[in-house]
Amino acid sequence: SQTIHQWPATLVQPVGSPLSLECTVEGTSNPNLYWYRQAAGRGLQLLFYSIGIDQISSEVPQNLSASRPQDRQFILSSKKLLLSDSGFYLCAWSGRAGSSYNEQFFGPGTRLTVL
Amino acid sequence: QKEVEQDPGPLSVPEGAIVSLNCTYSNSAFQYFMWYRQYSRKGPELLMYTYSSGNKEDGRFTAQVDKSSKYISLFIRDSQPSDSATYLCAMSSGSRLTFGEGTQLTVNP
Repeated sequence: SQTIHQWPATLVQPVGSPLSLECTVEGTSNPNLYWYRQAAGRGLQLLFYSIGIDQISSEVPQNLSASRPQDRQFILSSKKLLLSDSGFYLCAWSGRAGSSYNEQFFGPGTRLTVL
Repeated sequence: QKEVEQDPGPLSVPEGAIVSLNCTYSNSAFQYFMWYRQYSRKGPELLMYTYSSGNKEDGRFTAQVDKSSKYISLFIRDSQPSDSATYLCAMSSGSRLTFGEGTQLTVNP
């Protein structure tokens, strides 16, 4: 079966510090991968999506970046965090066998607080 | 105008009630419709996926899509306290999803 992992689960970082969040998917190959941010009480905002290694599209201009160094690994980074970067970061994947590529499956999330 | 509008709630119902959750949308290109359930401080979990007008049933859950009215609903029968969560509608015209902002549901024992 396929599983998706994210770490860390919780992170508190000072303004101006760097960020690295990691997401990995097990049990599948060549998934589409997505990074979302969810502000408190709000819907999900798509940040980046990737259809393959080193193929990444950015949806929202900001101080975040994403990389996909391996087929099932997706990394969200920042060189200098802003207060506005606080939120719940979710990684998702699609392409499960027997499912449409429209069906996205989410990881457990990382709660980031920037102080 | 947002592409997807969802009744914000919060919604509080007694155990055993029938719950109706709704979303409207403006983009007629949307063809795929999903409902996610999100427990507090957890990632969303895919509940239902439909791609045509009509009803789809899965246990106590029924998803309804009316493309002519650009309206989708999720019905929960015999609601349980374990159904207490935020429900997000999502829709797509390709591989990217557009989400509603979610409806917070509380089912009281």
